[in-house]
Amino acid sequence: AQSVAQPEDQVNVAEGNPLTVKCTYSVSGNPYLFWYVQYPNRGLQFLLKYITGDNLVKGSYGFEAEFNKSQTSFHLKKPSALVSDSALYFCAVRPLAGYQKVTFGTGTKLQVIP
Amino acid sequence: DGGITQSPKYLFRKEGQNVTLSCEQNLNHDAMYWYRQDPGQGLRLIYYSQIVNDFQKGDIAEGYSVSREKKESFPLTVTSAQKNPTAFYLCASFSVNTQYFGPGTRLTVL
Repeated sequence: AQSVAQPEDQVNVAEGNPLTVKCTYSVSGNPYLFWYVQYPNRGLQFLLKYITGDNLVKGSYGFEAEFNKSQTSFHLKKPSALVSDSALYFCAVRPLAGYQKVTFGTGTKLQVIP
Repeated sequence: DGGITQSPKYLFRKEGQNVTLSCEQNLNHDAMYWYRQDPGQGLRLIYYSQIVNDFQKGDIAEGYSVSREKKESFPLTVTSAQKNPTAFYLCASFSVNTQYFGPGTRLTVL
């Protein structure tokens, strides 16, 4: 069975500092990996995805994520946090082959402090 | 949220009533999904449909039902058999390895 772990319920970071939101996964075979962001009472917005190729993936709003196969991780990063980045972030995984079931982590609340 | 609409945004239900949540998409995607979101639990899959007139149970299908008569529409009915239906419900479609989400419906049981 596939799974996603987001070990931190909340991450606090000062505005202008770099941020990291952690994600590890478990899946049979090669993974597709995703990051989504959710603002209060809204749907999820797609940020970025890893399918194959370069381990560093760049996405929307200056976010990037690094795929590490040996550590089965896909941490979300941004060099300089903005107050407007404060939101709930979800990591998700699905296997490369087979039916399109996507499994989500429990989410990490990012709080950027002015 | 573009391309997928959900209605209503807020819904109140009395115990023992069935309610239907609407999900419509104009993205021409074959696959559609319903998720339930509860605080601290992430998203849990209720039902999914990979093609018109076909759908499959997800991880928490008990107390829910769906239909997929048209490609554009995937309504979810929350029945009286669902013991704890108060939650935020998200509809999504899938194409080119990415899911696209609607804005959600918040259901509250009074």
